[in-house]
Amino acid sequence: SQQGEEDPQALSIQEGENATMNCSYKTSINNLQWYRQNSGRGLVHLILIRSNEREKHSGRLRVTLDTSKKSSSLLITASRAADTASYFCATSFGGNDMRFGAGTRLTVKP
Amino acid sequence: SAVISQKPSRDICQRGTSLTIQCQVDSQVTMMFWYRQQPGQSLTLIATANQGSEATYESGFVIDKFPISRPNLTFSTLTVSNMSPEDSSIYLCSVGPTANYGYTFGSGTRLTVV
Repeated sequence: SQQGEEDPQALSIQEGENATMNCSYKTSINNLQWYRQNSGRGLVHLILIRSNEREKHSGRLRVTLDTSKKSSSLLITASRAADTASYFCATSFGGNDMRFGAGTRLTVKP
Repeated sequence: SAVISQKPSRDICQRGTSLTIQCQVDSQVTMMFWYRQQPGQSLTLIATANQGSEATYESGFVIDKFPISRPNLTFSTLTVSNMSPEDSSIYLCSVGPTANYGYTFGSGTRLTVV
């Protein structure tokens, strides 16, 4: 079953703008991960943040985690048309399997 | 991180037939995971496959409908049996996790049942 909920469900921005997506979850977690999926293909791992971390950066990506609010955000700065994809958060909480949120469909207009 | 080859990439099947999806990993992994992604939806875990033991299925998924094989540490198959149009989805295999790189996914199999 799904664990997280992303919002917004869909986001449309202009190239160069920043995109922020949020994820909320329900149970305690070991880590939270963000993935990108292009056109219904396989998922690409973007970034992993552990439960004892609050912020992590990777290139144009910035992820925050607030375990007290059970929420995370993914910020993509200076967006590009190639960033157009669906973005999912996934949580792991003890086992090795992950539970995925509903996803945010990001469209970056050139 | 591991590299996964998933086949077929897509198929159109008649209802009542079965399709077997294969995932080959370029390294030995203990656990492999199979997910279903229905149109416009998120991923739902079907089962976890360990080598040498029966797969562990999530609620709502049964072995008769989704038999899984895991003959060695680099290979697994998922069969979608007695298909109906409701089985039309993307099916993905996954391995992991690694310490910093999360899970690796196959490229997915887009199944359409007519």
